[in-house]
Amino acid sequence: QVQLQESGPGLVKPSQTLSLTCTVSGGSIGSGNYYWAWIRQPAGKGLEWIGRVYTSGSTNYNPSLKSRVTISVDTSKNQFSLQLSSVTAADTAVYYCARGYSYRGAPFDYWGQGTLVTVSS
Amino acid sequence: QSVLTQPPSVSGAPGQRVTISCTGSSSDIGAGYDVHWYQQLPGTAPKLLLYGNTNRPSGVPDRFSGSKSGTSASLAITGLQAEDEADYYCQSYDSSLSGVVFGGGTKLTVL
Repeated sequence: QVQLQESGPGLVKPSQTLSLTCTVSGGSIGSGNYYWAWIRQPAGKGLEWIGRVYTSGSTNYNPSLKSRVTISVDTSKNQFSLQLSSVTAADTAVYYCARGYSYRGAPFDYWGQGTLVTVSS
Repeated sequence: QSVLTQPPSVSGAPGQRVTISCTGSSSDIGAGYDVHWYQQLPGTAPKLLLYGNTNRPSGVPDRFSGSKSGTSASLAITGLQAEDEADYYCQSYDSSLSGVVFGGGTKLTVL
């Protein structure tokens, strides 16, 4: 059974960079035809796709966040990471990592439990 | 503002049938991309409920079904149960944005 677990600081100051890591267990991040994604959800609001990374290192990002986002993968550690720069209070949200099948519009079949990141001084 | 449009809320009594719509455009659902549905219970991560418009992952009751036509899709829940009270989200792909898009979510209340 594949499991995903987010980790990282729960509090980030405005203008700084938010950094999160997702550790995958129960299977190799490099096996199978999957990509690995980050999705966020502000309190009381809907889901927003941030972007995804393939194990090849290829990435796709939400156009609205593209200038501030970097997603990378470390297959040796079975992890992938999110960096979001120049954060503001609007970036406060629960951040989820998830697995998707490797084709356009694929569903996310496994999700992490989510981690709350608050942007505040 | 979400790319896919869902009603903010729906409700029904136990045992009844409810539907949740998901309306997109010619660059997402209308372009032929699959629609997937997620159930999010309070305080938990979303769970894949339906994929590929109509398919249920293992363990999802057949009370949940999906359909798609044109630029819209629907989730139907029959035999409503108290445990179905949750938020429901649709998801697809948008070719003009080159990315994944979600609906704004629908809160289901079981009366």
